[in-house]
Amino acid sequence: AQSVDQPDAHVTLYEGASLELRCSYSYSAAPYLFWYVQYPGQSLQFLLKYITGDAVVKGTKGFEAEFRKSNSSFNLKKSPAHWSDSAKYFCALDSSGSWQLIFGSGTQLTVMP
Amino acid sequence: EAAVTQSPRNKVTVTGGNVTLSCRQTNSHNYMYWYRQDTGHGLRLIHYSYGAGNLQIGDVPDGYKATRTTQEDFFLLLELASPSQTSLYFCASSDAGTYNQAPLFGEGTRLSVL
Repeated sequence: AQSVDQPDAHVTLYEGASLELRCSYSYSAAPYLFWYVQYPGQSLQFLLKYITGDAVVKGTKGFEAEFRKSNSSFNLKKSPAHWSDSAKYFCALDSSGSWQLIFGSGTQLTVMP
Repeated sequence: EAAVTQSPRNKVTVTGGNVTLSCRQTNSHNYMYWYRQDTGHGLRLIHYSYGAGNLQIGDVPDGYKATRTTQEDFFLLLELASPSQTSLYFCASSDAGTYNQAPLFGEGTRLSVL
């Protein structure tokens, strides 16, 4: 069965540092991978997706992610981090092409000013 | 502007009660989805649909029915609500198959079953 693991429930860092949120997936074929962000009390906002092609994908709000088939990972990165990046981040997988997303449990990011 | 609108935003009901959550999208998307979000689980897919009259079962369908009456409208029905269904529910829509856009989410409905 397909699954997504976000091993870090909480990440805290200082403004200006580089952030990397980890995501690994379990799926034997080529996956479609997504990152979403959820600010407190709000809905999910799309950041970026990987469908095919270049392993590094760039998204909104200055974020990018790198797809690594070798270790089944799709980590989210940004440098430098800003206090306004504080939010919960979700990695998701689709294996069907109909965007039936399987979500990880999320990583709560806190960026200290 | 692309939009997914959910109603109500908050709902409180009692165990055994009937609840209908509504979702409307104005994006001309073919797919619509219902998810629930619980602490420690991320979002989990309940039901989805690829067009009016179509319904597909998701990963956590037990205790839920859904109906897609038009391309725009997708409803989630809890006919005998239980406390375990207390959750934050999100509706989403997408044009899956064209890969142009990721699923767009509504603002959510917070449901409490007492």
